[in-house]
Amino acid sequence: NAGVMQNPRHLVRRRGQEARLRCSPMKGHSHVYWYRQLPEEGLKFMVYLQKENIIDESGMPKERFSAEFPKEGPSILRIQQVVRGDSAAYFCASSPPGPLAGPTDTQYFGPGTRLTVL
Amino acid sequence: KQEVTQIPAALSVPEGENLVLNCSFTDSAIYNLQWFRQDPGKGLTSLLLIQSSQREQTSGRLNASLDKSSGRSTLYIAASQPGDSATYLCAVPNAGNNRKLIWGLGTSLAVNP
Repeated sequence: NAGVMQNPRHLVRRRGQEARLRCSPMKGHSHVYWYRQLPEEGLKFMVYLQKENIIDESGMPKERFSAEFPKEGPSILRIQQVVRGDSAAYFCASSPPGPLAGPTDTQYFGPGTRLTVL
Repeated sequence: KQEVTQIPAALSVPEGENLVLNCSFTDSAIYNLQWFRQDPGKGLTSLLLIQSSQREQTSGRLNASLDKSSGRSTLYIAASQPGDSATYLCAVPNAGNNRKLIWGLGTSLAVNP
């Protein structure tokens, strides 16, 4: 059973370009979470999605960032018009299906995508 | 608002020492607490998850304890090895929302041969 997969592992963009980060959850998992780790800072929650639904996006910057988890295919974190401050490691995690308020879910993490904005 | 603090921020020890890493959280109404390891430039490896009903979990040379009432968890590493060098992170689900993990800043551990 393959773990959570993220690609690309490393992504370099110039200021103003778009970045697309992909996350394939573990087989059978229907919940996806995105976290960001800025240099010298801790991990911060960005967004929680289920298939075709955004459940909690309270950690997403108001502009330029969007996320989706379509019925088919991976979850995508999209950053438009990237700036140098977007340079960070972006981690995706997934957890098994269950009630929205499942109390004991474990989140399984992918290897991360390291975004560098030049 | 849940906040997670880890001390010390950095630790350097000679090989073979037993050591303790600390994690504290402000809201004791947690469902679980998880310890992770992160190697430089790498992803996150889950080490131990303690459910709120448990007091401790063990895996090999690692032992994690949880005291909900005092808002503390400790990660004990026995007989440390250079391969244990990494950053250790603890995380708890956000109070009132157990889907969103709140993270400490981590303890950077160096075990010297």
